[in-house]
Amino acid sequence: GDSVTQMEGPVTLSEEAFLTINCTYTATGYPSLFWYVQYPGEGLQLLLKATKADDKGSNKGFEATYRKETTSFHLEKGSVQVSDSAVYFCALTSNRDDKIIFGKGTRLHILP
Amino acid sequence: EAQVTQNPRYLITVTGKKLTVTCSQNMNHEYMSWYRQDPGLGLRQIYYSMNVEVTDKGDVPEGYKVSRKEKRNFPLILESPSPNQTSLYFCASSWTAGTSGIEQFFGPGTRLTVL
Repeated sequence: GDSVTQMEGPVTLSEEAFLTINCTYTATGYPSLFWYVQYPGEGLQLLLKATKADDKGSNKGFEATYRKETTSFHLEKGSVQVSDSAVYFCALTSNRDDKIIFGKGTRLHILP
Repeated sequence: EAQVTQNPRYLITVTGKKLTVTCSQNMNHEYMSWYRQDPGLGLRQIYYSMNVEVTDKGDVPEGYKVSRKEKRNFPLILESPSPNQTSLYFCASSWTAGTSGIEQFFGPGTRLTVL
């Protein structure tokens, strides 16, 4: 079945460092891909999404490109801030069925 | 304000004492679901509902019940809670599921401890 694999955390970086969180997926058909973010004590909220190959989602300085050839949707940010400390979830939805599949989440710590 | 609300936010209970966690959304969404979040396991779907009176099992439905009598509400019922149901629970809603990049809206979470 469909699945999402993302890099295990925690990831610890210094402020202003470059961030990459890897995400790869397995799916038949043409899934939509998402990154959700969970700040401490809160629910998940959508960070960005892409619905077809080569689409780039972007928000709050974060970017991810839908790469069908490598089945990947890596999250990047050029210069992280302490306020980016959170748990990040990669996810996909398939138009074949009703399932939304989440990765296990990657905890990000940004040090001042 | 568009939102998903859950109550209670925190609950400590004892084994076997029936409890209900409420979930309500004000966006007229058709699709609602419940997840539990556990360390190292990420989010796992418990139950979901495509519309009123339409519910189905997710990946970890054992020990839980749901109902969808109204479009806005989707309560999660634990008839006889056990310690392995200690977890962080999230309710979510969306216009529909699966198609064309539809966003899920999440509630703030309910932290449940079963002693």
